[in-house]
Amino acid sequence: SYELTQPLSVSVALGQTARITCGGDNIGHKNVHWYQQKPGQAPVLVIYRDRNRPSGIPERFSGSNSGNTATLTISRAQAGDEADYYCQAWDIRTYVFGTGTKVTVL
Amino acid sequence: EVQLVQSGAEVKKPGESLKISCRGSGDSFTGYWIAWVRQMPGKGLEWMGSIFPGDSDIRYNPSFQGHVTVSADKSISTAFLQWNSLKASDTAIYYCARHQRVSAPFDYWGQGTPVTVSS
Repeated sequence: SYELTQPLSVSVALGQTARITCGGDNIGHKNVHWYQQKPGQAPVLVIYRDRNRPSGIPERFSGSNSGNTATLTISRAQAGDEADYYCQAWDIRTYVFGTGTKVTVL
Repeated sequence: EVQLVQSGAEVKKPGESLKISCRGSGDSFTGYWIAWVRQMPGKGLEWMGSIFPGDSDIRYNPSFQGHVTVSADKSISTAFLQWNSLKASDTAIYYCARHQRVSAPFDYWGQGTPVTVSS
C-alpha cells in the first residue's frame, strides 16, 4: 500500500520559515493536499492540489510537489501556526494521509 | 454556509453496536461525497470510506471494509457510520468531511464524534 512519510516534528522561530516535507513514491505525479489540525479541533484544509490556497488561508502558506517529495511552506511563522500538519493524496482507490508533523513556533 | 454537524459523544461496551451520524446543511447534500476519518488517541488521520448520497456509491478503505458500514439518507441530508460489534480498539474520534469527487480534498469537516469502547 502507498505510504506518505512526514517528519515527526519541525521547530521554527517566530517570523521565520518552516518547511514540512511529505515523502512518497513518485508523489510528484499525484495531487497533494495539506491539513492543519490544532489541539481539540477538526482538521482544516490549508493547501489543495499541491499549491492552491482555499479562501481564508493566509498567503504565508504555500505548497510545492515534485519527484518524491511534496512540501508545505509556512512563511513568517506566527504563534497561531502551532499545530499538527498532515499531507494527503489519492492512490488508486484509497485516500492516504501522511504520518503527521507537529510544528512548534519558538 | 456549509456545515457538517455530527452526533454526540458515545460510550459503549465491547460487542455493542453503534451508529453515528453527520448531518449536512447549507449546500446540496446529494452533490458531494461524505468521507469518514478516524483519529485514534494521540495518532494521525485515517480515511475509512466515503459515500455519495446522491446514488449511494460507496468506497471503502480495505483496512476498514467488513468492520464498519457507511450509509446515507439523502431525504434528511445525513450520512452514517455503523458498527455491529465494537472493539476497544475502535476508541477514537470520528470525523466526517465533504469532498467534491473521488480524489478531491476534504474542504469541510464536522466537529468530530468521540467514541469510547470500554468494559
